[in-house]
Amino acid sequence: GESVGLHLPTLSVQEGDNSIINCAYSNSASDYFIWYKQESGKGPQFIIDIRSNMDKRQGQRVTVLLNKTVKHLSLQIAATQPGDSAVYFCAENISGTYKYIFGTGTRLKVLA
Amino acid sequence: EAGVAQSPRYKIIEKRQSVAFWCNPISGHATLYWYQQILGQGPKLLIQFQNNGVVDDSQLPKDRFSAERLKGVDSTLKIQPAKLEDSAVYLCASSLGQGAAFFGQGTRLTVV
Repeated sequence: GESVGLHLPTLSVQEGDNSIINCAYSNSASDYFIWYKQESGKGPQFIIDIRSNMDKRQGQRVTVLLNKTVKHLSLQIAATQPGDSAVYFCAENISGTYKYIFGTGTRLKVLA
Repeated sequence: EAGVAQSPRYKIIEKRQSVAFWCNPISGHATLYWYQQILGQGPKLLIQFQNNGVVDDSQLPKDRFSAERLKGVDSTLKIQPAKLEDSAVYLCASSLGQGAAFFGQGTRLTVV
C-alpha cells in the first residue's frame, strides 16, 4: 500500500549498534524483493535484493531476511554509521510483471 | 557505467501550465519506469515501458499526463495542465527485465 504521509515510522539507533528495519509486503505472487535507501534530495539507491527461493542474503554490512509465510521482509544493518541515516523502502516485484511496488518507508536516524 | 539521467532537477510552474521531464536510462536497459513521489511517501508507479511499448499505465492520470519513449531509449513525461497536487518528485528508473530497477536523481516539481 501507500506510505503514511509526513509521519514516516522512525527508527533511532546509536552509532555502532545494529539496525533492523521491517517491511510487510502485500502480494503472495511477488517473487523478487529489493531494499532501497533514499537520502534527502536523491533518488532511491539499490542496497540489496533477494528472490523468493531464498530466505536470507548477505551483503556488506547488510542482511535481508525473507519470510514468505507471513509476507515479511527485514533489513539488518550491522554497526550502523551516520552515513546510514536515510529513509529505507522495500519494493516487491510481482512475478511476471517487472513492476516494483514500494512499501511504507522507514526513516533511520543514527545517533552519535 | 553511467546511471539514469534526468532533467531538469527542479521546476517551478504555475497551475494550468504545462511541463515536461526527460529521462535517459542506463544503456541497454529495456524497461523504463516513471514514478511519482509525494513528500513523505513511497514512490508510486505512473507508467512502465518495455522497449518503446507501454506495459502498465493504469495509475497514470491520462487526462493530464502523457509519456512516450522514443526508439526504446529516452523518455519524456508531460503534464498539461498542471494542478497543485502534482507537486512531487518525478523519478525515472530502468532495469534489465526482472532485475533491480535503478533510479535517477529525480525532478522536483513545484506547482504554485
